[in-house]
Amino acid sequence: GESVGLHLPTLSVQEGDNSIINCAYSNSASDYFIWYKQESGKGPQFIIDIRSNMDKRQGQRVTVLLNKTVKHLSLQIAATQPGDSAVYFCAENKADTGRRALTFGSGTRLQVQP
Amino acid sequence: ETGVTQTPRHLVMGMTNKKSLKCEQHLGHNAMYWYKQSAKKPLELMFVYSLEERVENNSVPSRFSPECPNSSHLFLHLHTLQPEDSALYLCASSQNHPSRFTGANQPQHFGDGTRLSIL
Repeated sequence: GESVGLHLPTLSVQEGDNSIINCAYSNSASDYFIWYKQESGKGPQFIIDIRSNMDKRQGQRVTVLLNKTVKHLSLQIAATQPGDSAVYFCAENKADTGRRALTFGSGTRLQVQP
Repeated sequence: ETGVTQTPRHLVMGMTNKKSLKCEQHLGHNAMYWYKQSAKKPLELMFVYSLEERVENNSVPSRFSPECPNSSHLFLHLHTLQPEDSALYLCASSQNHPSRFTGANQPQHFGDGTRLSIL
């Protein structure tokens, strides 16, 4: 069946380094992708999204890359800070199919070492 | 208040109790969602409301009963729950195109959830 999955359950990086969190998706018709950050005791917080007519989008310290050929999505965080420690989820959907909500991956925990 | 607010933050109840979870969004959105988040599992969609009409029920047991009285409020009524229903219940909202539901290509904004424990 269709699924969204994450390559690594835990990623540990040094403060100041760049982080890359990866996500694979299996629905080749998916046309909308989104990254969320979830800190302990809080709900998922929107980070950045991208539509399938783009292959790159940048935000503040974050970049999302979309490779439709291999159905791969990544989130890059520049100069990782302790406040970036959280679980990161990717989610996807294909608009106009009647599906009204996102399909979420299982998450990657990012640990930032001081 | 801003964003999406959920109450209570924590709830402990017995299997025979009846309780309700409340969600309120202050973003002017026209769609609201209930999700269940269990340990080590992806977020599971439960219900979707668009313009106060339930548009999706994702095979949720009848012991969970949603209610959306207006576009800003969403409730989840609980009765005779099972221990496996213990989880974090998250509410979300989004803004959808008025003439067709394309909510899944707009960001959904989440509340901080209600941590539910069933004894």
